Amino acid sequence: DTGVSQNPRHKITKRGQNVTFRCDPISEHNRLYWYRQTLGQGPEFLTYFQNEAQLEKSRLLSDRFSAERPKGSFSTLEIQRTEQGDSAMYLCASSLYRNTGELFFGEGSRLTVL
Amino acid sequence: ELKVEQNPLFLSMQEGKNYTIYCNYSTTSDRLYWYRQDPGKSLESLFVLLSNGAVKQEGRLMASLDTKARLSTLHITAAVHDLSATYFCAVDKGRTGGGADGLTFGKGTHLIIQP
Repeated sequence: DTGVSQNPRHKITKRGQNVTFRCDPISEHNRLYWYRQTLGQGPEFLTYFQNEAQLEKSRLLSDRFSAERPKGSFSTLEIQRTEQGDSAMYLCASSLYRNTGELFFGEGSRLTVL
Repeated sequence: ELKVEQNPLFLSMQEGKNYTIYCNYSTTSDRLYWYRQDPGKSLESLFVLLSNGAVKQEGRLMASLDTKARLSTLHITAAVHDLSATYFCAVDKGRTGGGADGLTFGKGTHLIIQP
Protein backbone atom coordinates (compact mmCIF):
# COMPACT_ATOMS: atom_id res chain seq x y z
CA ASP A 1 0.00 0.00 0.00
CA THR A 2 1.46 3.32 -1.06
CA GLY A 3 -0.60 5.53 1.25
CA VAL A 4 -2.91 8.40 0.34
CA SER A 5 -2.31 9.72 -3.15
CA GLN A 6 -3.31 13.15 -4.42
CA ASN A 7 -3.08 14.78 -7.83
CA PRO A 8 -2.23 17.09 -9.27
CA ARG A 9 0.38 18.13 -6.76
CA HIS A 10 0.45 21.67 -8.07
CA LYS A 11 -2.13 23.66 -10.00
CA ILE A 12 -1.83 27.23 -11.21
CA THR A 13 -5.00 28.73 -12.63
CA LYS A 14 -6.51 32.05 -13.49
CA ARG A 15 -9.29 33.57 -11.45
CA GLY A 16 -12.68 32.35 -12.62
CA GLN A 17 -11.50 28.98 -13.88
CA ASN A 18 -12.64 25.66 -12.46
CA VAL A 19 -10.22 23.17 -10.93
CA THR A 20 -10.58 19.58 -9.76
CA PHE A 21 -8.40 17.62 -7.37
CA ARG A 22 -8.38 13.88 -6.93
CA CYS A 23 -7.63 11.81 -3.85
CA ASP A 24 -7.04 8.06 -3.65
CA PRO A 25 -7.17 6.93 -0.02
CA ILE A 26 -5.52 3.94 1.61
CA SER A 27 -7.46 1.05 0.14
CA GLU A 28 -9.10 -0.39 3.25
CA HIS A 29 -10.01 3.01 4.74
CA ASN A 30 -13.70 3.86 4.58
CA ARG A 31 -13.44 7.46 5.78
CA LEU A 32 -12.03 10.20 3.60
CA TYR A 33 -11.47 13.82 4.60
CA TRP A 34 -10.62 17.06 2.82
CA TYR A 35 -8.75 19.83 4.61
CA ARG A 36 -7.40 23.19 3.49
CA GLN A 37 -4.17 24.67 4.79
CA THR A 38 -2.90 28.20 4.23
CA LEU A 39 0.59 29.42 5.00
CA GLY A 40 1.36 29.48 8.69
CA GLN A 41 -1.95 27.90 9.70
CA GLY A 42 -3.12 24.49 10.75
CA PRO A 43 -5.28 22.40 8.45
CA GLU A 44 -8.96 23.43 8.40
CA PHE A 45 -11.65 20.80 7.98
CA LEU A 46 -13.72 21.04 4.81
CA THR A 47 -15.72 17.84 4.49
CA TYR A 48 -15.65 14.09 5.00
CA PHE A 49 -17.13 10.92 3.60
CA GLN A 50 -17.90 7.58 5.09
CA ASN A 51 -17.89 5.24 2.14
CA GLU A 52 -19.79 7.19 -0.53
CA ALA A 53 -21.88 9.27 1.89
CA GLN A 54 -20.84 12.85 2.55
CA LEU A 55 -21.52 13.16 6.28
CA GLU A 56 -20.42 16.69 7.09
CA LYS A 57 -19.51 19.91 5.32
CA SER A 58 -17.80 22.85 6.98
CA ARG A 59 -19.14 26.38 6.67
CA LEU A 60 -15.83 27.03 4.89
CA LEU A 61 -17.13 24.98 1.98
CA SER A 62 -18.96 27.59 -0.09
CA ASP A 63 -21.36 26.78 -2.91
CA ARG A 64 -18.42 26.96 -5.32
CA PHE A 65 -16.91 23.87 -3.73
CA SER A 66 -18.21 20.39 -4.32
CA ALA A 67 -16.81 17.04 -3.29
CA GLU A 68 -17.78 13.57 -4.39
CA ARG A 69 -16.83 10.02 -3.63
CA PRO A 70 -18.98 8.14 -6.08
CA LYS A 71 -18.04 4.54 -5.39
CA GLY A 72 -16.66 4.92 -1.92
CA SER A 73 -13.09 4.75 -3.16
CA PHE A 74 -11.41 7.83 -4.69
CA SER A 75 -12.76 11.34 -4.15
CA THR A 76 -12.74 14.56 -6.13
CA LEU A 77 -12.87 18.13 -4.89
CA GLU A 78 -13.98 20.69 -7.47
CA ILE A 79 -13.72 24.43 -7.06
CA GLN A 80 -15.76 26.48 -9.52
CA ARG A 81 -15.07 30.09 -10.47
CA THR A 82 -11.85 30.17 -8.47
CA GLU A 83 -10.93 33.26 -6.48
CA GLN A 84 -7.52 34.38 -5.25
CA GLY A 85 -8.62 33.54 -1.72
CA ASP A 86 -8.88 29.90 -2.74
CA SER A 87 -5.09 29.68 -3.04
CA ALA A 88 -4.03 27.09 -0.48
CA MET A 89 -2.84 23.54 0.01
CA TYR A 90 -5.71 21.07 -0.22
CA LEU A 91 -5.02 18.01 1.88
CA CYS A 92 -6.78 14.69 1.70
CA ALA A 93 -6.70 12.19 4.55
CA SER A 94 -8.22 8.81 5.20
CA SER A 95 -8.96 6.68 8.22
CA LEU A 96 -10.66 3.48 9.26
CA TYR A 97 -13.93 4.10 11.07
CA ARG A 98 -14.02 2.87 14.67
CA ASN A 99 -10.27 2.56 14.76
CA THR A 100 -8.05 5.01 16.64
CA GLY A 101 -9.32 7.98 14.61
CA GLU A 102 -5.80 8.65 13.36
CA LEU A 103 -5.81 10.39 10.00
CA PHE A 104 -3.30 9.52 7.30
CA PHE A 105 -2.59 12.45 5.03
CA GLY A 106 -1.60 12.66 1.40
CA GLU A 107 1.08 14.99 0.06
CA GLY A 108 -1.50 17.63 -0.79
CA SER A 109 -2.48 19.59 -3.88
CA ARG A 110 -1.23 23.16 -3.94
CA LEU A 111 -3.52 25.63 -5.70
CA THR A 112 -2.37 29.04 -6.86
CA VAL A 113 -5.03 31.35 -8.30
CA LEU A 114 -3.64 34.28 -10.28
CA GLU B 1 -17.20 25.18 18.77
CA LEU B 2 -14.02 23.28 19.57
CA LYS B 3 -10.94 25.50 19.78
CA VAL B 4 -7.39 24.19 19.96
CA GLU B 5 -4.59 26.48 21.08
CA GLN B 6 -0.90 25.75 20.96
CA ASN B 7 1.91 27.62 22.56
CA PRO B 8 4.39 28.74 21.78
CA LEU B 9 3.69 29.28 18.09
CA PHE B 10 7.36 29.79 17.38
CA LEU B 11 10.32 28.31 19.22
CA SER B 12 14.02 28.61 18.53
CA MET B 13 16.25 26.49 20.70
CA GLN B 14 19.72 25.08 20.81
CA GLU B 15 20.68 21.48 20.35
CA GLY B 16 20.89 19.56 23.58
CA LYS B 17 18.22 21.58 25.37
CA ASN B 18 14.84 20.40 26.64
CA TYR B 19 11.55 22.09 25.95
CA THR B 20 7.79 21.55 26.08
CA ILE B 21 5.04 22.51 23.65
CA TYR B 22 1.56 22.93 25.11
CA CYS B 23 -1.81 22.20 23.55
CA ASN B 24 -5.03 23.35 25.20
CA TYR B 25 -8.50 22.61 23.90
CA SER B 26 -11.88 23.98 24.77
CA THR B 27 -14.35 21.07 24.97
CA THR B 28 -14.39 17.58 26.36
CA SER B 29 -12.45 15.08 24.28
CA ASP B 30 -10.37 12.04 25.10
CA ARG B 31 -8.65 11.70 21.76
CA LEU B 32 -5.68 13.86 20.86
CA TYR B 33 -3.12 13.56 18.08
CA TRP B 34 0.28 15.05 17.36
CA TYR B 35 1.55 15.55 13.83
CA ARG B 36 4.80 16.77 12.35
CA GLN B 37 5.05 18.77 9.14
CA ASP B 38 8.28 19.55 7.30
CA PRO B 39 8.32 22.55 4.91
CA GLY B 40 6.37 21.84 1.74
CA LYS B 41 5.43 18.37 2.95
CA SER B 42 2.31 16.76 4.31
CA LEU B 43 1.55 15.80 7.88
CA GLU B 44 3.17 12.81 9.51
CA SER B 45 1.45 11.20 12.47
CA LEU B 46 3.60 11.14 15.63
CA PHE B 47 1.37 10.17 18.53
CA VAL B 48 -2.18 9.03 19.18
CA LEU B 49 -3.41 9.64 22.74
CA LEU B 50 -6.71 7.97 23.50
CA SER B 51 -7.31 8.31 27.23
CA ASN B 52 -6.67 10.46 30.26
CA GLY B 53 -3.14 10.00 31.51
CA ALA B 54 -1.90 8.51 28.24
CA VAL B 55 1.81 8.90 27.67
CA LYS B 56 3.65 7.95 24.50
CA GLN B 57 7.36 8.22 23.75
CA GLU B 58 9.34 7.94 20.55
CA GLY B 59 13.00 8.78 20.63
CA ARG B 60 13.49 12.29 22.00
CA LEU B 61 9.77 13.12 21.91
CA MET B 62 7.22 12.34 24.60
CA ALA B 63 3.54 13.26 24.52
CA SER B 64 1.00 13.17 27.33
CA LEU B 65 -2.69 13.88 27.76
CA ASP B 66 -4.64 15.26 30.71
CA THR B 67 -8.29 15.26 29.68
CA LYS B 68 -9.46 16.87 32.91
CA ALA B 69 -7.24 19.88 32.31
CA ARG B 70 -7.90 19.65 28.54
CA LEU B 71 -4.16 19.80 28.04
CA SER B 72 -1.58 17.84 26.11
CA THR B 73 2.16 18.37 26.14
CA LEU B 74 4.88 17.43 23.70
CA HIS B 75 8.23 17.29 25.45
CA ILE B 76 11.50 17.40 23.57
CA THR B 77 14.56 15.98 25.31
CA ALA B 78 18.10 16.88 24.25
CA ALA B 79 16.94 18.41 20.99
CA VAL B 80 18.75 17.68 17.74
CA HIS B 81 18.60 19.63 14.46
CA ASP B 82 16.58 16.90 12.71
CA LEU B 83 13.64 17.67 14.95
CA SER B 84 13.23 21.10 13.33
CA ALA B 85 9.70 21.15 11.89
CA THR B 86 6.20 22.43 12.60
CA TYR B 87 4.29 20.39 15.18
CA PHE B 88 0.50 20.33 15.28
CA CYS B 89 -1.82 18.98 17.88
CA ALA B 90 -5.31 17.96 16.81
CA VAL B 91 -8.39 17.02 18.78
CA ASP B 92 -11.16 14.66 17.78
CA LYS B 93 -14.48 16.47 17.61
CA GLY B 94 -15.90 13.24 18.97
CA ARG B 95 -19.55 13.99 18.46
CA THR B 96 -20.62 10.56 17.38
CA GLY B 97 -17.88 8.54 19.00
CA GLY B 98 -16.08 5.51 17.69
CA GLY B 99 -13.62 7.42 15.63
CA ALA B 100 -12.83 10.85 14.42
CA ASP B 101 -15.52 12.99 12.85
CA GLY B 102 -12.60 14.93 11.58
CA LEU B 103 -9.97 16.63 13.68
CA THR B 104 -9.63 20.23 14.74
CA PHE B 105 -6.02 21.40 14.52
CA GLY B 106 -4.06 24.00 16.39
CA LYS B 107 -2.09 26.62 14.49
CA GLY B 108 1.12 24.70 14.94
CA THR B 109 4.42 25.31 16.70
CA HIS B 110 7.24 26.20 14.33
CA LEU B 111 10.35 24.71 15.93
CA ILE B 112 13.88 25.62 14.89
CA ILE B 113 16.76 23.79 16.55
CA GLN B 114 20.10 25.43 16.03
CA PRO B 115 23.43 23.63 16.29
